[in-house]
Amino acid sequence: DIVMTQSPLSLPVTVGEPASISCRSSQSLLHSNGFKYLSWYLQKPGKSPQLLIYLSSNRASGVPDRFSGSGSGTDFTLKISRVEAEDVGVYYCMQSLQSPFTFGPGTKVDI
Amino acid sequence: QVLLVQSGAELKKPGASVKVSCKASGYPFTSHPVHWVRQVPGQSLEWMGWINPGNGMTKYSQKFQGRVTMIRDTSTTTVYMELRSLRPEDTSVYYCAKYYGVWESFDFWGQGSLVTVSS
Repeated sequence: DIVMTQSPLSLPVTVGEPASISCRSSQSLLHSNGFKYLSWYLQKPGKSPQLLIYLSSNRASGVPDRFSGSGSGTDFTLKISRVEAEDVGVYYCMQSLQSPFTFGPGTKVDI
Repeated sequence: QVLLVQSGAELKKPGASVKVSCKASGYPFTSHPVHWVRQVPGQSLEWMGWINPGNGMTKYSQKFQGRVTMIRDTSTTTVYMELRSLRPEDTSVYYCAKYYGVWESFDFWGQGSLVTVSS
């Protein structure tokens, strides 16, 4: 199975300041089609996860442009250019390159 | 709009089975796989498997193979996940999620169904 790790596991942030979360996979997530099968989700308190970023660097519909994703085959980053109060919650990365799909442990972001 | 509405909370005894439903609406039901993901409260997310509502084909995580069954009812656009031989460590929130193949990710999630296993 592909193991996903994240750092940090806890991230205190300040409104208006940037924030960054790292995600690493134990194997390359680069598919032969050139896409990296890595997505990011935010789980707000008491809610279901919601998709933020797909295929490593593409914002999902309705996601504010302060969120951006980047990465190589095994190292990925989610950046928030200016944190807003509504961004608190737990952020997860997930690989969908091969079964079983696996998630990172999560990064808890709070103000 | 796309909605995945799941069944309510369940309390089960060890050794029993649970069947969680996920009613889909707002998109072509047979065109997108539905996956199941569970989450022990306070912990990360764990993928369980998926079903293709178009043909009923399934793929399960090896961890749950033999204990889980996913089926679909196209007449009611509902997917079901049954987990058998429940143990206390199966206490989790179970989510269904629509997989969007173009994005290779889960673009919509159900609200979650808490299953508690306790004697």
